Amino acid sequence: EAGVAQSPRYKIIEKRQSVAFWCNPISGHATLYWYQQILGQGPKLLIQFQNNGVVDDSQLPKDRFSAERLKGVDSTLKIQPAKLEDSAVYLCASSLEGAGADTQYFGPGTRLTVL
Amino acid sequence: ELKVEQNPLFLSMQEGKNYTIYCNYSTTSDRLYWYRQDPGKSLESLFVLLSNGAVKQEGRLMASLDTKARLSTLHITAAVHDLSATYFCAVLGNYQLIWGAGTKLIIKP
Repeated sequence: EAGVAQSPRYKIIEKRQSVAFWCNPISGHATLYWYQQILGQGPKLLIQFQNNGVVDDSQLPKDRFSAERLKGVDSTLKIQPAKLEDSAVYLCASSLEGAGADTQYFGPGTRLTVL
Repeated sequence: ELKVEQNPLFLSMQEGKNYTIYCNYSTTSDRLYWYRQDPGKSLESLFVLLSNGAVKQEGRLMASLDTKARLSTLHITAAVHDLSATYFCAVLGNYQLIWGAGTKLIIKP
């Protein structure tokens, strides 16, 4: 079974530029999560989708971050414009069920460096 | 608001020794996960604990849950170098997982 795919793996941009990350969850998983993991910390949930609807985006900085999950499969996360403090690893995860009720499987992450 | 605290945050130990990582959480929950993260890699699920008194074991790792004390432990028996990693606990809060800061474990030969 293929795991969660993410791209790109690494991205370096200058502050105020835009960046987008892509995620393809495990086939059949209804729930998709985007997390931000700053070095030395645990993951912080940014947004949770159930199929193509948003379940929770309370910690998403909506003035600069946006995410979509068209057709309930792939998802993209965008940052526009980026700030220095956005430097982190962005992790995508998926699960069969939602709301933490099922094990989440993580992709390899995208390491973002903002200069 | 649910808070999750792990300790220690850093642990250096010798091969062959036993040790325990602790995960405390502040409000009632009925689901707790342990994950492993190798340097530069993603998170790998180790255990899910669903009820008071639950115990799960895989190789040299054993996890337990005491929901009354709001405490989970991850016990390492006769540590080997391959277990060097960062270990996270994550607790189910209000429809999302709340994560601890992680315990970085270094096992020296």
